[in-house]
Amino acid sequence: KQEVTQIPAALSVPEGENLVLNCSFTDSAIYNLQWFRQDPGKGLTSLLLIQSSQREQTSGRLNASLDKSSGRSTLYIAASQPGDSATYLCAAPTSGTYKYIFGTGTRLKVLA
Amino acid sequence: DARVTQTPRHKVTEMGQEVTMRCQPILGHNTVFWYRQTMMQGLELLAYFRNRAPLDDSGMPKDRFSAEMPDATLATLKIQPSEPRDSAVYFCASGADGTLTGNTIYFGEGSWLTVV
Repeated sequence: KQEVTQIPAALSVPEGENLVLNCSFTDSAIYNLQWFRQDPGKGLTSLLLIQSSQREQTSGRLNASLDKSSGRSTLYIAASQPGDSATYLCAAPTSGTYKYIFGTGTRLKVLA
Repeated sequence: DARVTQTPRHKVTEMGQEVTMRCQPILGHNTVFWYRQTMMQGLELLAYFRNRAPLDDSGMPKDRFSAEMPDATLATLKIQPSEPRDSAVYFCASGADGTLTGNTIYFGEGSWLTVV
């Protein structure tokens, strides 16, 4: 059974800082891993998807890495901005399926 | 701009009433997920369909919840009878597994349910 954990649960940083969000998963036989963003009162928006054969995926100021052997993924946000304030969730599927299990998220606040 | 559409967006109902939530997945997507989000439990997977067939509904309370896909353009989640502890946001998501696009899943805006 897949279990996904995210650390830290909350993070508050000044604008401009580079930051790292962590995600760990117990079942490493996954096809891929996804990172999402959720704004208050809204649905989830996909940020990055990393295939199991990849080690990194980049989109603008976001970079996600995947280490299947250690069951870890990180989301790196460069030069953070107040508009980055949101909850960030990672999701990993149960092995052999596309049934995505979510972590509890990291609530990020970037201060102007 | 393709999107997952959920109705109703907000619902307040009395305990014991039946609640039906509907989802229109993105055209061409073959997987559909129902998730429930609460402050205490986070996002919980309730049901998972592939090509309209239910693959997993182990996360769903069987005595009062049911999920179906009558056709490829409609997924439903029904609660009967509803209870106050069912108050949550219910999200539908869809994806196209096995494709080169990488199986990104797309979420609707959610149905905010309050049972009083």
